[in-house]
Amino acid sequence: GAGVSQTPSNKVTEKGKYVELRCDPISGHTALYWYRQSLGQGPEFLIYFQGTGAADDSGLPNDRFFAVRPEGSVSTLKIQRTERGDSAVYLCASSQRRGAYNEQFFGPGTRLTVL
Amino acid sequence: AQTVTQSQPEMSVQEAETVTLSCTYDTSENNYYLFWYKQPPSRQMILVIRQEAYKQQNATENRFSVNFQKAAKSFSLKISDSQLGDTAMYFCAFMKATGANNLFFGTGTRLTVIP
Repeated sequence: GAGVSQTPSNKVTEKGKYVELRCDPISGHTALYWYRQSLGQGPEFLIYFQGTGAADDSGLPNDRFFAVRPEGSVSTLKIQRTERGDSAVYLCASSQRRGAYNEQFFGPGTRLTVL
Repeated sequence: AQTVTQSQPEMSVQEAETVTLSCTYDTSENNYYLFWYKQPPSRQMILVIRQEAYKQQNATENRFSVNFQKAAKSFSLKISDSQLGDTAMYFCAFMKATGANNLFFGTGTRLTVIP
């Protein structure tokens, strides 16, 4: 079956602009996670959705970052007033439900470059 | 807070040989899970192996096995009969048994299998 997909694959924007990154999870997966991977680092947790609600947004770095999942499927990560430090690969993962026994399947990520 | 440390930024191994990647972690949790993920140049994280902290028996998956030392908070990955397709970044990750079940990653080890 189809895996997790993310669009766009690459996004180049200018400092101060607004960007949206999309994640299509595996069909039927209720848990969805966003991570950010800076150059030379491991991914860092941003936000977790269980269904439509953001159950844990403790990893969002500041209020310029926001994410939604209005119908419990597709999720969009939104970044306002982008800064050069936001440049990174943004990874999305989904699992059938919350819990360590439910493997998190990752998408290929969106590489965001802020000039 | 949870931290995961991978002290080997780069490793190399001859094809068909065995290599061990190191990982240590720090946590005050008593119940948790540990993972090794592989990230090839395609950026897509792939689960290699998982270990439950309450299980004393080390996990194995075909050519991949772990050496889990709970008291020492050590979780190394052994790859036997290394293949060219094993060339990738390898990330050690920690997950609490409660809460959002998000992953905490180390900084990764770049493994190169030499033909």
